[in-house]
Amino acid sequence: EAGVAQSPRYKIIEKRQSVAFWCNPISGHATLYWYQQILGQGPKLLIQFQNNGVVDDSQLPKDRFSAERLKGVDSTLKIQPAKLEDSAVYLCASSLAPGIEQYFGPGTRLTVT
Amino acid sequence: AQKITQTQPGMFVQEKEAVTLDCTYDTSDPSYGLFWYKQPSSGEMIFLIYQGSYDQQNATEGRYSLNFQKARKSANLVISASQLGDSAMYFCAMTGNGGFKTIFGAGTRLFVKA
Repeated sequence: EAGVAQSPRYKIIEKRQSVAFWCNPISGHATLYWYQQILGQGPKLLIQFQNNGVVDDSQLPKDRFSAERLKGVDSTLKIQPAKLEDSAVYLCASSLAPGIEQYFGPGTRLTVT
Repeated sequence: AQKITQTQPGMFVQEKEAVTLDCTYDTSDPSYGLFWYKQPSSGEMIFLIYQGSYDQQNATEGRYSLNFQKARKSANLVISASQLGDSAMYFCAMTGNGGFKTIFGAGTRLFVKA
């Protein structure tokens, strides 16, 4: 069974530029999560989807971050415009349903200069 | 508000010995789930073990067990017979009622010595 796929693995951009990350969850997983993990910290949940609907985006900085999950499968997370403090690893995870174990992708390491 | 506290930034353990990683939590939700994840230096987060708030018995998965003390709001991870490959960051996490509001602790870095 294929795991959670993410791309790109690394991205370097200048502040005020935009960037997009892509995630393909495990087949059949209805719940998809995006996390931000700043170096030396635990992951912070940005947004949680159930199928193609948002169920929690309370910690998503909506003035610059957006995410969508079209057709309830793939998802993209966008940052526009990026700030220096957005430098982090962005993790995508999926689970069969909310509240059970999550399976994580390899992450995208973003550096904003 | 929910909160996860991991008070041990780093731990050392001798190979083949057992080690306990501490986790305390706070929540007002009547139903919640507690998880432990491992993050090796490669970066990919790996699920280890799960405990539901209404589960009567402590969860076990191979060499991992979760010491769940509900009254004390603690969910410590016990790794028996440590191996060199257990060296990694370990995160305690919690989901709230309905499986939403996942939060992670700051993590504990475990070093296994040969």
